[in-house]
Amino acid sequence: AQKVTQAQTEISVVEKEDVTLDCVYETRDTTYYLFWYKQPPSGELVFLIRRNSFDEQNEISGRYSWNFQKSTSSFNFTITASQVVDSAVYFCALSEAGDDKIIFGKGTRLHILP
Amino acid sequence: DGGITQSPKYLFRKEGQNVTLSCEQNLNHDAMYWYRQDPGQGLRLIYYSQIVNDFQKGDIAEGYSVSREKKESFPLTVTSAQKNPTAFYLCASSIGARVATNEKLFFGSGTQLSVL
Repeated sequence: AQKVTQAQTEISVVEKEDVTLDCVYETRDTTYYLFWYKQPPSGELVFLIRRNSFDEQNEISGRYSWNFQKSTSSFNFTITASQVVDSAVYFCALSEAGDDKIIFGKGTRLHILP
Repeated sequence: DGGITQSPKYLFRKEGQNVTLSCEQNLNHDAMYWYRQDPGQGLRLIYYSQIVNDFQKGDIAEGYSVSREKKESFPLTVTSAQKNPTAFYLCASSIGARVATNEKLFFGSGTQLSVL
């Protein structure tokens, strides 16, 4: 069965610090997709990144970077030089090819303190 | 601007009452979804629809009903059979007619439902 674990319920860091949000997943499929979404206080989730299981290249987008490691079934998200606007709940999600569902982790609430 | 509109933002339900949450999208997306979010929990799928006049149950469909009479609209009714309806409800859509699992989801801003 597929499962997503975000062990960090809540994290607080001071602005400009780097922070890493952990995501560990379980799946029996060889083809699957991983996602990160951001939920700011406004409520709507915003898509950040999608990665398929055959692409283990790390990705960087501005201050955001993602580290995908199949060997440890992890898809961690790092924010460099954090800003107050990064304060939100972040969700990691998994879907298996051929399945109609996307499974979300419980989310990590990130507080960036000024 | 294209997007997903959910209304109302806050909704209160009395005991034994059915309430309907609205979700409208102008993205011309085929698939639409309803998720429930409880504090400290991930999103759980209630119902989804791939095409007009068709929908499937998600993981927690009991006590809820939906309709998909128009491509742009996917209302959710929380019935009196749902004994613990207090939650944040999110509507989403994706481009494909089939719920392609590599599709990203576009979300509305949610409805907070509370029981009086």
